[in-house]
Amino acid sequence: AQSVTQPDIHITVSEGASLELRCNYSYGATPYLFWYVQSPGQGLQLLLKYFSGDTLVQGIKGFEAEFKRSQSSFNLRKPSVHWSDAAEYFCAVLVGGSYIPTFGRGTSLIVHP
Amino acid sequence: NAGVTQTPKFQVLKTGQSMTLQCAQDMNHNSMYWYRQDPGMGLRLIYYSASEGTTDKGEVPNGYNVSRLNKREFSLRLESAAPSQTSVYFCASSSRSSSYNEQFFGPGTRLTVL
Repeated sequence: AQSVTQPDIHITVSEGASLELRCNYSYGATPYLFWYVQSPGQGLQLLLKYFSGDTLVQGIKGFEAEFKRSQSSFNLRKPSVHWSDAAEYFCAVLVGGSYIPTFGRGTSLIVHP
Repeated sequence: NAGVTQTPKFQVLKTGQSMTLQCAQDMNHNSMYWYRQDPGMGLRLIYYSASEGTTDKGEVPNGYNVSRLNKREFSLRLESAAPSQTSVYFCASSSRSSSYNEQFFGPGTRLTVL
């Protein structure tokens, strides 16, 4: 069975600094990969997704993620963080043919002014 | 286009009381899901419905029942609430015709069981 690891429970950055949130997965083939964001008191919203093609994918709100097959990783990045980016971020994987994703436990992003 | 809606937004129950959480989607999606979210635990799947007329257990189904009323609606019932069911509950839906099968989430129901 596939698994997803988000090694960082909390990340603190200053506004304007760059951000990288880590996600590693365990699966034999390339799964579908997703990043979701959950703002306080809200449901999850899709930031971006990857299945094939260009390994650098662009998402909403200025986020991007890079798929690295050799490292089984799909890290989320943003060059300059805004205070409104403070939220919980979830990485998820979906095995081809399935419709039940596996979610990581989430990384909480704290942004200092 | 409202997406996925959930009612109620907040609920307080006493131990042993019952209640039903409602979920509806207007995106003509085949699959619907119920998750609970607890601090440090991420999202855990309670039940899911691959298509109208079918339901299956997820990771943590004990103490819950579900009904896929029609293609739009998927309800979650707590027959006898327990304090361990205090959580935030999310409904989600996805389209099996989408190549990515990404999920769309409702705003959540915050449930406290005293």
